Amino acid sequence: ELKVEQNPLFLSMQEGKNYTIYCNYSTTSDRLYWYRQDPGKSLESLFVLLSNGAVKQEGRLMASLDTKARLSTLHITAAVHDLSATYFCAVENNAGNMLTFGGGTRLMVKP
Amino acid sequence: NAGVTQTPKFQVLKTGQSMTLQCAQDMNHNSMYWYRQDPGMGLRLIYYSASEGTTDKGEVPNGYNVSRLNKREFSLRLESAAPSQTSVYFCASSVTDSLYEQYFGPGTRLTVT
Repeated sequence: ELKVEQNPLFLSMQEGKNYTIYCNYSTTSDRLYWYRQDPGKSLESLFVLLSNGAVKQEGRLMASLDTKARLSTLHITAAVHDLSATYFCAVENNAGNMLTFGGGTRLMVKP
Repeated sequence: NAGVTQTPKFQVLKTGQSMTLQCAQDMNHNSMYWYRQDPGMGLRLIYYSASEGTTDKGEVPNGYNVSRLNKREFSLRLESAAPSQTSVYFCASSVTDSLYEQYFGPGTRLTVT
């Protein structure tokens, strides 16, 4: 059974600081997705990582995937308040027909 | 182009009542999905439909049924609602049965008392 763990579950950080969110998963997979969810809203796709060593960047966010370590990271550079949200990683199973989500990291960026 | 739409947005049911959650997409996607999200947790897959005419169970299918009415529409039915089904329900769609670029609807907040 595929299990996905994110840490930290909650992150309070100051504007301008850097931090990394970690996503570990339990079985082999080559595909991992990052989503953002604002309170009371739906999920928005951030990154799709499709192979070992994949790195994607958008603004202050950068995601990477190490399939050998079964680890993805979401790095935040010089955080701003607008990045406050809950971030989820989701891992695709080997059959390619199901995503298993992590529990989410609630990020709060304070001025 | 509305993307993925869901109705209703909110619903309160009493234990034992039934209801159907509706989902429609206008992106000509082949695959559609139903998830539930409990407080403080990630999404869990209830059912999915890889293409019109097919449906398969996900991680948490018990207590639910689905119908892929046509390519656009995928409904989720609770036959006899239970308090454990209080959750936010999200519908999603993707171009193929590959999970690449899954688009999510706005969600239905369901409370069962």
